[in-house]
Amino acid sequence: SQQGEEDPQALSIQEGENATMNCSYKTSINNLQWYRQNSGRGLVHLILIRSNEREKHSGRLRVTLDTSKKSSSLLITASRAADTASYFCATVPIQGAQKLVFGQGTRLTINP
Amino acid sequence: NAGVMQNPRHLVRRRGQEARLRCSPMKGHSHVYWYRQLPEEGLKFMVYLQKENIIDESGMPKERFSAEFPKEGPSILRIQQVVRGDSAAYFCASSPVTGDAGELFFGEGSRLTVL
Repeated sequence: SQQGEEDPQALSIQEGENATMNCSYKTSINNLQWYRQNSGRGLVHLILIRSNEREKHSGRLRVTLDTSKKSSSLLITASRAADTASYFCATVPIQGAQKLVFGQGTRLTINP
Repeated sequence: NAGVMQNPRHLVRRRGQEARLRCSPMKGHSHVYWYRQLPEEGLKFMVYLQKENIIDESGMPKERFSAEFPKEGPSILRIQQVVRGDSAAYFCASSPVTGDAGELFFGEGSRLTVL
């Protein structure tokens, strides 16, 4: 079963607005990562947040992590049409082999 | 510095045939992961390999699927006697470190269509 569950499944906003995507997971984690996938392409790593971190920034991206609620959010500020893609959260569990477990993704559409 | 290279990018097979998907990790990376993605879905973990060693194959179907990462050459994901349900995009990813899983570097995927 998937560890991460993204919410919403699909999001459509106007260019310039902020986009917020959420991810919930079930088991204790080592770290949580967000990836982006353009249609028909591979995944590109965006940002990694460790279990002892609460917030991280990278350019227009802001990621938060609440381990007590087992949830994370990805905020993209001042969205651009080029941000249109699917966004996935992925977790690395504390126990077991160090592998990424992906959620179902949020399909983000930025309307020009 | 080339990224993760997967080939073929597209593969069409008839039911019962074999599919072989190849993955060359980034230079210096010794860990390879294979994932499967169905349309409009997330990636499902299949197998994690190091050179000449399978670390975790908990996501691999028990029959028809196998993977290897030999000392020399690319990692191979092999699907024998393919069925329509095997149609999917298969992604390979690599990483340089172990013990503290960080960023994975993904290839562009191999899209298998079974007729």
